[in-house]
Amino acid sequence: EIVLTQSPATLSLSPGERATLSCRASQSVSSYLAWYQQKPGQAPRLLIYDASNRATGIPASFSGSGSGTDFTLTISGLEPEDFAVYYCQQRSNWPWTFGQGTKVEIK
Amino acid sequence: EVQLVQSGAEVKKPGESLKISCKGSGYSSTSSWIGWVRQMPGKGLEWMAIIYPGDFDTKYSPSFQGQVTISVDKSISTAYLQWSSLKASDTAMYYCARQSFGGELNWGQGTLVTVSS
Repeated sequence: EIVLTQSPATLSLSPGERATLSCRASQSVSSYLAWYQQKPGQAPRLLIYDASNRATGIPASFSGSGSGTDFTLTISGLEPEDFAVYYCQQRSNWPWTFGQGTKVEIK
Repeated sequence: EVQLVQSGAEVKKPGESLKISCKGSGYSSTSSWIGWVRQMPGKGLEWMAIIYPGDFDTKYSPSFQGQVTISVDKSISTAYLQWSSLKASDTAMYYCARQSFGGELNWGQGTLVTVSS
């Protein structure tokens, strides 16, 4: 099973600041890596798929990069609605797996 | 527009059986996998099982093999997840999800399952 390790566990930032979230895989997942945002009481929402493709309706402030084992989600300028938990997920090998999440909180 | 509509919340007793559903629309059943994701209270996301409606190919995560059964009825575009004997530890939110071959993933709204005596 591929283990995804996200860092940091918590990111404390102010609105307008840039957020950089990391996801590291225990073995190569090629580009089959997605990022999700989840707010309390809501289903996750797809932000980025296949490492760098923004999902429909996702603003350009969200961008993804990386391949192989190291991936990054960048939020270029945090809006109040961006404070949430973010998960990465691989679909390279079954079982597909999620990282443990990074909570982006208001500083 | 892709939509996944899940069945409503359930409250069950330990040992009871349960089958929850997820009705899809807006996509071809042969262009994607359909699966179930568990989220226990206050915890992260876990893939449980996936099924390909085209040929009914099924995969289970080792943690869930033998614990649940995934199925699909192509005629009504509905996927199911069932338990034969629930435990208190099955209390969780369950999301269905459609993974397209092109990479996009769509989520259902979630079904809360509570197992308590």
